[in-house]
Amino acid sequence: DAGVIQSPRHEVTEMGQEVTLRCKPISGHDYLFWYRQTMMRGLELLIYFNNNVPIDDSGMPEDRFSAKMPNASFSTLKIQPSEPRDSAVYFCASSLFPPGDGYTFGSGTRLTVV
Amino acid sequence: SQKIEQNSEALNIQEGKTATLTCNYTNYSPAYLQWYRQDPGRGPVFLLLIRENEKEKRKERLKVTFDTTLKQSLFHITASQPADSATYLCALDEDAGNMLTFGGGTRLMVKP
Repeated sequence: DAGVIQSPRHEVTEMGQEVTLRCKPISGHDYLFWYRQTMMRGLELLIYFNNNVPIDDSGMPEDRFSAKMPNASFSTLKIQPSEPRDSAVYFCASSLFPPGDGYTFGSGTRLTVV
Repeated sequence: SQKIEQNSEALNIQEGKTATLTCNYTNYSPAYLQWYRQDPGRGPVFLLLIRENEKEKRKERLKVTFDTTLKQSLFHITASQPADSATYLCALDEDAGNMLTFGGGTRLMVKP
């Protein structure tokens, strides 16, 4: 397996624009997580899915953020409209449960909103 | 929710020595605790998982202990090498489910 695949690796956008981040989890993993990492706040869980169903989105900062998982092999995180404070590295991770082998993270998307 | 404390200051040690990193948590004891390694520009990589009924876990040069009375986990790297230099993160489940909360990480620098 190629691991968790995220795209794009880097995204620079202007404030107010829509941004879509994409994730392909490891085949067979039934959990998918979106995290955001900044120097100030570390790794923060935004939302997670189990069998494509959103379970907890309490970490989503506000209504500008939305996430979908239309099937077991694809998820998106959308920010509309984007703001400079959204600049961060966004990670997608997937796992089985129980997580005997932990989470597998993607390489992340570095988002810069100018 | 859990509050997880890791030493935010970098740990500098000499090659060959044992590195010991600390993870302290508040509130209830998690069902399991995990350690990850993160290199600059990369996602965290899973290293070890220890369950609440386990006191110690080993994997090659790595050792993790879990003291639910002290609410603390220690992560040891023996015979450290410069290649071990990275940030190490501990993570705990929130409610015996599969939702992890991560600590802020400790940066380890191993000097040759």
